[in-house]
Amino acid sequence: GAVVSQHPSRVICKSGTSVKIECRSLDFQATTMFWYRQFPKQSLMLMATSNEGSKATYEQGVEKDKFLINHASLTLSTLTVTSAHPEDSSFYICSAEDRRGNQPQHFGDGTRLSIL
Amino acid sequence: AQKITQTQPGMFVQEKEAVTLDCTYDTSDPSYGLFWYKQPSSGEMIFLIYQGSYDQQNATEGRYSLNFQKARKSANLVISASQLGDSAMYFCAMREGLRGNNRLAFGKGNQVVVIP
Repeated sequence: GAVVSQHPSRVICKSGTSVKIECRSLDFQATTMFWYRQFPKQSLMLMATSNEGSKATYEQGVEKDKFLINHASLTLSTLTVTSAHPEDSSFYICSAEDRRGNQPQHFGDGTRLSIL
Repeated sequence: AQKITQTQPGMFVQEKEAVTLDCTYDTSDPSYGLFWYKQPSSGEMIFLIYQGSYDQQNATEGRYSLNFQKARKSANLVISASQLGDSAMYFCAMREGLRGNNRLAFGKGNQVVVIP
């Protein structure tokens, strides 16, 4: 089945560090990838929609300069949390949708980010 | 307005019994897709089953079946013969429009614990 790889799975770093998270579709092309944030015991909150070759579309309330998204190819999108602070600690998870359409979104395994 | 509603409290299910997870949705788009995902404690989102708004029959995937009642706007998930590994959070989601690149709206999830 379709596979999405997300790396790293866990990050622990100091406040002020920038952290890059990669999301790759391994066996299909994804013109669109989605980035979500999930707080404990809550649902997934869409942060932004990442489109290959164009600027990401951010949801209301999500800081573009804090969460930089780059979708450089049909198989890779990256989320960079810039100058991370403890309040940015969360579970971040990406998904990718097969460009052929009418397919389910397939998710990466998520990244647990802890900022000290 | 909330697009996906999952209101059941956490559930304990006896191993080998069936369990039904409720999901109601709200949309004015005639074309939409409904999805169920499983999220175990490790965090990954596992796609379980899909139902399109124009599908005539209820979707089935192994032990998972979807009780799709379009007039009631409900898409309940039925898990038959529960196994210990079914313990997880279950999320119902909807995509409006059937083509790709449309965002998913998630419900708040149902917690299921299967007991031996």
